[in-house]
Amino acid sequence: GDSVTQMEGPVTLSEEAFLTINCTYTATGYPSLFWYVQYPGEGLQLLLKATKADDKGSNKGFEATYRKETTSFHLEKGSVQVSDSAVYFCALSGDDKIIFGKGTRLHILP
Amino acid sequence: SQTIHQWPATLVQPVGSPLSLECTVEGTSNPNLYWYRQAAGRGLQLLFYSVGIGQISSEVPQNLSASRPQDRQFILSSKKLLLSDSGFYLCAWTQLAGAGTKAQYFGPGTRLTVL
Repeated sequence: GDSVTQMEGPVTLSEEAFLTINCTYTATGYPSLFWYVQYPGEGLQLLLKATKADDKGSNKGFEATYRKETTSFHLEKGSVQVSDSAVYFCALSGDDKIIFGKGTRLHILP
Repeated sequence: SQTIHQWPATLVQPVGSPLSLECTVEGTSNPNLYWYRQAAGRGLQLLFYSVGIGQISSEVPQNLSASRPQDRQFILSSKKLLLSDSGFYLCAWTQLAGAGTKAQYFGPGTRLTVL
């Protein structure tokens, strides 16, 4: 069945560092891909999405490119801030459901 | 614009007591609705989803149940809570987000502690 694998956390970086959180997927067909962010004590928020191969989703300085050849959707940000500390979930669209990765906790140190 | 509400925000219940969590969506019609549970420091576990009134699909066998009495209302229930039911419960709904994509949008969650 469809699945999403993302890098284990926690990831700890200093402010202004470059961020990459890896995500790979297994799916039949051509799913849409998503990144969600969850701040402490809150629900998940859609961060960005991509609907087809080579699409780049972007929001709040974060980017991810839908790579069909490598079945990947890695999340990147050029300069992280303390306020980016959260849990990040990679996900893909399935039939009537979205398949989520296990989440990667990100800590940004000032 | 669409909004999703969950209540209560927090709940502390004794083992063996009943449970009712409610989720409502405003500003859309005939949404797909979902209940997830998130244990402390863990990922999301899909519990139930519904594609219409009275239509419930269960993903994980357990002592919880779900109902959808109205188009935009989704209820999670239990007759007798277990300690293992503690967690953060999230409701979500699906919107078609262009070209058939189905992004999900989440409510603020209910934190349940069973003692």
